[in-house]
Amino acid sequence: SYEVTQPPSVSVSPGQTASITCSGDKLGNKFVSWYHQKPGQSPVLVIYQDEKRPSGIPERFSGSNSGNTATLTISGTHAMDEGDYFCQGWDSSIAVLGGGTRLTVL
Amino acid sequence: QVQLVESGGGLVKPGGSLRLSCTASGFTFSDYYMTWIRQAPGKGLEWVSYITSGSAYTNYADSVKGRFTISRDNGEKSLYLRMNNLRDEDTATYYCARVTGDYDSGYFDLWGRGTLVTVSS
Repeated sequence: SYEVTQPPSVSVSPGQTASITCSGDKLGNKFVSWYHQKPGQSPVLVIYQDEKRPSGIPERFSGSNSGNTATLTISGTHAMDEGDYFCQGWDSSIAVLGGGTRLTVL
Repeated sequence: QVQLVESGGGLVKPGGSLRLSCTASGFTFSDYYMTWIRQAPGKGLEWVSYITSGSAYTNYADSVKGRFTISRDNGEKSLYLRMNNLRDEDTATYYCARVTGDYDSGYFDLWGRGTLVTVSS
């Protein structure tokens, strides 16, 4: 079965840029979405179709997808951006979710 | 307002059954695919199942295939998950989510708060 891999954790200083990767075989040929989950809350969509932002999501969130890697970039990271981030794609009509990356804003 | 509300979770013994419900409001439920996603305590998200807008097509994760059944009632704006032969490893918070797009480009743009299912003797 198809799998996507994320780093377990990423740390960033406030105001700096955080990059979270999601890797999978030929992932660039698939659409990737990203979700942010804070402790005790439901996930929230932050990026869809590789690079699009839903309404209400700050411009500091951006996404890209090429080759075997999709990347979520948070520019000028805020303390409120802490939490878990999950990437998601599809393979043979099955939704595939990454294991999640915990973002810590130090 | 636009929201999804899950219900039906609880404590069940291994081998038991449970039916989860998810009620939608604030949008045209019948226009969207819907999905169930679960999260074991302290773990990541795991996709469980989805159903197309008119119920013509469903799909399941291998971990639940043959034990879980997804269904919907568009008139009641409700999504269901019938879970049979439950195992310890099914213990999780179960989220329903709206799917915008279809099953090769879709994304989960609205989530409920989840309902906790605990499988234990």
